[in-house]
Amino acid sequence: DTAVSQTPKYLVTQMGNDKSIKCEQNLGHDTMYWYKQDSKKFLKIMFSYNNKELIINETVPNRFSPKSPDKAHLNLHINSLELGDSAVYFCASSRPETSGLNYEQYFGPGTRLTVT
Amino acid sequence: DAKTTQPPSMDCAEGRAANLPCNHSTISGNEYVYWYRQIHSQGPQYIIHGLKNNETNEMASLIITEDRKSSTLILPHATLRDTAVYYCIVRPVYSSASKIIFGSGTRLSIRP
Repeated sequence: DTAVSQTPKYLVTQMGNDKSIKCEQNLGHDTMYWYKQDSKKFLKIMFSYNNKELIINETVPNRFSPKSPDKAHLNLHINSLELGDSAVYFCASSRPETSGLNYEQYFGPGTRLTVT
Repeated sequence: DAKTTQPPSMDCAEGRAANLPCNHSTISGNEYVYWYRQIHSQGPQYIIHGLKNNETNEMASLIITEDRKSSTLILPHATLRDTAVYYCIVRPVYSSASKIIFGSGTRLSIRP
């Protein structure tokens, strides 16, 4: 009964490659997010989607392209991977924010990306 | 940019109450105090949140001072599984952009 799942859990790839990380939530939430946690353990928001529509893009390089085929999925595609992209990427989801209220976010287990 | 200040680390004996402080002196009237934790190699986990009243759930209690400039998260009977980094976060009650801004948190170690 996993709430927010991510695949793969580990991803090792070479510089210049293109890779995708998948995220799915079964909580019925409308809003999904991607966060990046770097080697110093700081967690930073990258993107937020509400009902498949992009609402936050925190000046992430355009090599990163989130794709939301439906409101239960938010995948992250990364082109031309660089060494600095090595990090743990977390997907999260929260209840609909149609009223403008903020709700708690539920996080996935993370994907550890290593670029060599 | 985190709007909270937390001690970098704390420890607590197993079975005792763990009291984690947080300063948020610039909090505004329409901002919640949220607590999350991150156990090693896992995603952050929501614990509790409050506006101005004290709150309690099955995981913890949240005590917010009357002036709302600080709060304390209380884990009533800490266990080894509570070893984690605890994040105190201030978030607007209403927002069109609902990102969480994480600070560096408090690393809580529970000793047997």
